[in-house]
Amino acid sequence: QMQLQESSPGLVRPSETLSLTCSVSVPGGSMNHYYWSWLRQTPGKGLEWIGHIFYSGTTNYNPSLKSRVSMSLDTSKNQFSLELVSVTASDSGVYFCASAYSHLSAFNRWGQGTRVTVS
Amino acid sequence: EIVMMQSPGTLSLSPGDRATLSCRPSQSVSISALAWYQQKPGQAPRLLIYGTSNRATGVPDRFTGSGSGTDFTLTISRLEPEDSAVYYCQQYGDSLTYTFGQGTKVEI
Repeated sequence: QMQLQESSPGLVRPSETLSLTCSVSVPGGSMNHYYWSWLRQTPGKGLEWIGHIFYSGTTNYNPSLKSRVSMSLDTSKNQFSLELVSVTASDSGVYFCASAYSHLSAFNRWGQGTRVTVS
Repeated sequence: EIVMMQSPGTLSLSPGDRATLSCRPSQSVSISALAWYQQKPGQAPRLLIYGTSNRATGVPDRFTGSGSGTDFTLTISRLEPEDSAVYYCQQYGDSLTYTFGQGTKVEI
């Protein structure tokens, strides 16, 4: 079955860029036909969807984060990535990558999560 | 943005009891676009229910989702100790942004 695993950046300094990568193991080997999302869980906002990317490269971001977020996909490595610029302490929390069958589907598979501290 | 409001904040029940969790979106949500997740400490959320009432693979039939519009419910019958967790509802009908409730903690 599908498995997702986030990288572990750990500590990020305020005003710098948070970079995360999600490595995906997909039955059949293809990242096509899924939507790949980043979410986070913070003390201030609880569970929050950050954005998603489709295999075509189409992205959609949470309007509240849109000005600071970018996502990319590398199907040759079965990875997708998140960059969040100009981080502050309020960006500290646990970041998850997840998959969905379409842009109107629930998140059926999640990575275990990686804790990010901005300090 | 659709705000998802869950109640109660905490449910303290005994094994064998029935738990009723409420989720009320601030706007009407399609029945095809409402999900429930279970999260245990230190773990990622796990999809339980999608499309209001469809159980995800491997989810016991003790978990039942129902509702429509602005009133959705997750019922857990015959509670077991392993059901202790935080439960979140989520709408995914507004593809501009997906939103979660603040969660209901179930203590057994």
